[in-house]
Amino acid sequence: QSALTQPRSVSGSPGQSVTISCTGTSSDVGGYDYVSWYQQHPGKAPKLIIYDVLTRASGVPGRFFGSKSGNTASLTISGLQADDEADYYCFSNARRYILFGGGTKLTVL
Amino acid sequence: QVQLQESGPGLVKPSQTLSLTCSVSGGSVTTAGYYWTWIRQHPGEGLDWIGYIYSSGDTYYNPSLRSRVTVSLDMSKNQFSLTLDSVTAADAAIYFCARLWRTRIGAPGGFDLWGQGILVTVSS
Repeated sequence: QSALTQPRSVSGSPGQSVTISCTGTSSDVGGYDYVSWYQQHPGKAPKLIIYDVLTRASGVPGRFFGSKSGNTASLTISGLQADDEADYYCFSNARRYILFGGGTKLTVL
Repeated sequence: QVQLQESGPGLVKPSQTLSLTCSVSGGSVTTAGYYWTWIRQHPGEGLDWIGYIYSSGDTYYNPSLRSRVTVSLDMSKNQFSLTLDSVTAADAAIYFCARLWRTRIGAPGGFDLWGQGILVTVSS
């Protein structure tokens, strides 16, 4: 199983929106609605922000939006804030196997 | 509130076996609907899953590590463990334990709880 493909980095200014993509195949991202997204600040454990493609985890603001089209899932963050600067990872399953994206570093300019 | 905490040696010699334990508090490893998982992260890199176990004892491993990995469950201690044989410098990483929920079709759904992680160094 190959890792899911994410852009290495994205950036945006405070208040702007950014979108992070996560591309897989019809055997993983495209085949199941079990895509989730994780935010990881330096030195911390990852934190679940989106699951089942588009459901926000408890306490996650509505600025975070998940979606999927075909074999590509996306995380859109609107109204960027300084604390959004972090690494973001997507997750999908391929039957019983687990796939992570390579991670995207979000920089808030 | 369920919490996970990794423990084990932070330093392992090359060719030896790495053993880590994840203690679960505020909940039970026998709770239906969850897989108990090990994930690692090399410094400055992404997340790699190692393996996971269900309360039935069923295990699933990353094919790239399968020959060297064992994940086990100790229900009496409410813990689950990782052993990784024949370690090399490439196994130096932060190791996380995490709770992975099980979907209605039995597939892994996502990780809702994580331990804080433990840094493992491989050096003689």
